[in-house]
Amino acid sequence: SQTIHQWPATLVQPVGSPLSLECTVEGTSNPNLYWYRQAAGRGLQLLFYSVGIGQISSEVPQNLSASRPQDRQFILSSKKLLLSDSGFYLCAWSLARVEFTFGSGTRLTVV
Amino acid sequence: GDSVTQMEGPVTLSEEAFLTINCTYTATGYPSLFWYVQYPGEGLQLLLKATKADDKGSNKGFEATYRKETTSFHLEKGSVQVSDSAVYFCALRESNYQLIWGAGTKLIIKP
Repeated sequence: SQTIHQWPATLVQPVGSPLSLECTVEGTSNPNLYWYRQAAGRGLQLLFYSVGIGQISSEVPQNLSASRPQDRQFILSSKKLLLSDSGFYLCAWSLARVEFTFGSGTRLTVV
Repeated sequence: GDSVTQMEGPVTLSEEAFLTINCTYTATGYPSLFWYVQYPGEGLQLLLKATKADDKGSNKGFEATYRKETTSFHLEKGSVQVSDSAVYFCALRESNYQLIWGAGTKLIIKP
């Protein structure tokens, strides 16, 4: 069966520090991968999606970047965090015409 | 472009009350429709789905019917429990690989 792992679950980082959130998928090949952010009291915002290794599409200009070094690995990064980067980050995967499966999320607090 | 509109929350109900969370959509094609649920502090989970007009998705006592004539996919449950307290997201998916999300509706069930 397919599983998705996302870590860490919580993270407190100072302003200006770097960020690396990792997401891995098991039990499937060539999935579409996604990073979403959910700000407090708001809906989901698609940040990045990837349809293959090295292929990254950005939906919203921001302080973040994403990379896909392996087929089932998706990394969300920042060189210098801002206070506004605080939120709940969700990784997800899907195959064509199949529902999305989400990771358990990372709550990031930038202080 | 495609869009999903959900009723604003929070929705507060007493235990055993009847629940309806409205969801309407606009789409150019024939999308699949989904309801996801997010329990406090967790990621999103697929609750139910419908892939064509008149389909009814159901799970855990929740139901939603794909109504093409009214472009709606309202979520219903006959008798809610405290454990149903969560944020519910309506979403659609066209033939490409992205989901279009509603803003989410927070449901609070009081004992």
